Amino acid sequence: GQQLNQSPQSMFIQEGEDVSMNCTSSSIFNTWLWYKQDPGEGPVLLIALYKAGELTSNGRLTAQFGITRKDSFLNISASIPSDVGIYFCAGRLADSGNTGKLIFGQGTTLQVKP
Amino acid sequence: NAGVMQNPRHLVRRRGQEARLRCSPMKGHSHVYWYRQLPEEGLKFMVYLQKENIIDESGMPKERFSAEFPKEGPSILRIQQVVRGDSAAYFCASSHYGLAGNNEQFFGPGTRLTVL
Repeated sequence: GQQLNQSPQSMFIQEGEDVSMNCTSSSIFNTWLWYKQDPGEGPVLLIALYKAGELTSNGRLTAQFGITRKDSFLNISASIPSDVGIYFCAGRLADSGNTGKLIFGQGTTLQVKP
Repeated sequence: NAGVMQNPRHLVRRRGQEARLRCSPMKGHSHVYWYRQLPEEGLKFMVYLQKENIIDESGMPKERFSAEFPKEGPSILRIQQVVRGDSAAYFCASSHYGLAGNNEQFFGPGTRLTVL
């Protein structure tokens, strides 16, 4: 089936450390999106990627669209306590026809120790 | 706040009742998506609608679930004869474009449905 494998499942880090997480698939995607979700809230869009090899930053966040179009990673530099939350990758399959539906990864739970 | 609006935020129903979840997209957005999230899991696509049209309902259960996005008013996700397995968070997202151009999807705060 259409799956995104997101890793790691959870991370517990010290404030100030850098964080890296990624999503991989056996399918080809033409869009990668990274979201952050706080408890009881909806996902908030962090970064959107539309071209293979594209590298995009948003403050301390950097994400890349893999050249093979089957993966993407998100880096967070110099983590702070408010980075705590669940991070999701989401992608739109290249052969998804007339639908804009997104496939979501399982999420990476980030905890930051002050 | 011009974001995606969903109501109610919390909904409690007894088995066999109907649940109606409403979503108002961001201003200027004509594409709406519904997703379901179970605890400790990612979001699962249900249905994609454009004004008055269902474009993709491949993620919708075959029975009891329906969705609409009328010309006027919010999009509605309707669940008839709810069962305990329907308990989940239901999220609506909207985008400005469908397939043409960049179609970032922006999410609402969700409706948490609890079936007793």
